[in-house]
Amino acid sequence: EDQVTQSPEALRLQEGESSSLNCSYTVSGLRGLFWYRQDPGKGPEFLFTLYSAGEEKEKERLKATLTKKESFLHITAPKPEDSATYLCAVQAVSARQLTFGSGTQLTVLP
Amino acid sequence: ETGVTQSPTHLIKTRGQQVTLRCSSQSGHNTVSWYQQALGQGPQFIFQYYREEENGRGNFPPRFSGLQFPNYSSELNVNALELDDSALYLCASSGARGWSNGYTFGSGTRLTVV
Repeated sequence: EDQVTQSPEALRLQEGESSSLNCSYTVSGLRGLFWYRQDPGKGPEFLFTLYSAGEEKEKERLKATLTKKESFLHITAPKPEDSATYLCAVQAVSARQLTFGSGTQLTVLP
Repeated sequence: ETGVTQSPTHLIKTRGQQVTLRCSSQSGHNTVSWYQQALGQGPQFIFQYYREEENGRGNFPPRFSGLQFPNYSSELNVNALELDDSALYLCASSGARGWSNGYTFGSGTRLTVV
């Protein structure tokens, strides 16, 4: 059974204080690992897809990396508008569905 | 692109009733998935439709059913509502390039069962 565990559950940062969110996964053949951002009362917003170990992708202050068992979402010099819940999900080669973790709730204080 | 639109945004139902939630996908997005998201949890896969046929199902009972229509709209039906069905229901669609660009989610329908 595919599993995704995210840590920490919640993270409070001061504006400009860089940090990383962790996503540990087990999957029977990885098709893709996804990062989403979710604001309160909204649906998840797609950020990145990673396919293989060693891959990195960047978007503004966010950088996602992938190993064979983990993915990290690095946030550099965050701003209050980066406050949201960040979700990690995997899709197995043989699966239709995405399997999500419970998310990390990020709060960036001004 | 117009995105994924879900209706209604909020809904309150009584235990034992039936509910229909609706989703309108982007033109050309012939795959639609439905997810249930409980408070503080990640979305859980309910089922997926491709070209109007169900082609994948998660661990949900048969009282959760769906339909997909040729005009890229779809429905999620839930019979015999239970209190635990209270959640945010999300519709996600993808097109020909499918999963590689990430599924596009709607804003969801918040269902409360009392």
